[in-house]
Amino acid sequence: QVQLHESGPGLVKPSETLSLTCTVSGGSISSSYWSWIRQPPGKGLEWIGYISYSGNTNYNPSLKSRLTISVDTSYNQFSLRLSSVTAADTAVYYCATYDHSNYLAFWGQGTLVTVSS
Amino acid sequence: EIVLTQSPATLSLSPGERVTLSCRASQTVSNYLAWFQQKPGQAPRLLIYNAYTRATGIPARFSGSGSGTDFTLTVSSLETEDFAVYYCQHRSNWPFTFGGGTKVEIK
Repeated sequence: QVQLHESGPGLVKPSETLSLTCTVSGGSISSSYWSWIRQPPGKGLEWIGYISYSGNTNYNPSLKSRLTISVDTSYNQFSLRLSSVTAADTAVYYCATYDHSNYLAFWGQGTLVTVSS
Repeated sequence: EIVLTQSPATLSLSPGERVTLSCRASQTVSNYLAWFQQKPGQAPRLLIYNAYTRATGIPARFSGSGSGTDFTLTVSSLETEDFAVYYCQHRSNWPFTFGGGTKVEIK
């Protein structure tokens, strides 16, 4: 069974860049699509974007100008970079991937990132 | 962007009751719709995909129906562990979006 684990700073200053990594175990990143989803405290879910194992990406238009998602097959990891953050980017960030259903069946436990000075 | 509207926002029910949750899309998503359950402090859990197919390991008391723009998730008899927030999500075209959620709480 695929397992995912998010890592990165829990606190980022306004205007700086938020960087997170998702480490994949129990399966190879050289298949499927790999996604980032976020959830502001007490609110709903937002799909940030996804990347294929070959590096093709699709970004949420609301974040596209600030967003980079990349994959490192050597380390079985994929990463998120979100620039020029504000308090509105404070959220629990999840990494996730599909199973045979082509829906998000495998999720990390999530990591809270707070944007504050 | 396709907007998914879930109703009601909150339901107060007792264990053993039957519950039906609604998800309406702003334009057709065919049957490319999933339902997730989320408990406090946990990641969402996939329940139903392609409108009516139960995900791996999901009990038969969960069922989905609908197509096009109107979908429902039914729990035939609520267990204590079913009290949670439920989200619908489409994958018809990008960006994939989630509904705002329905909280099912204990009465």
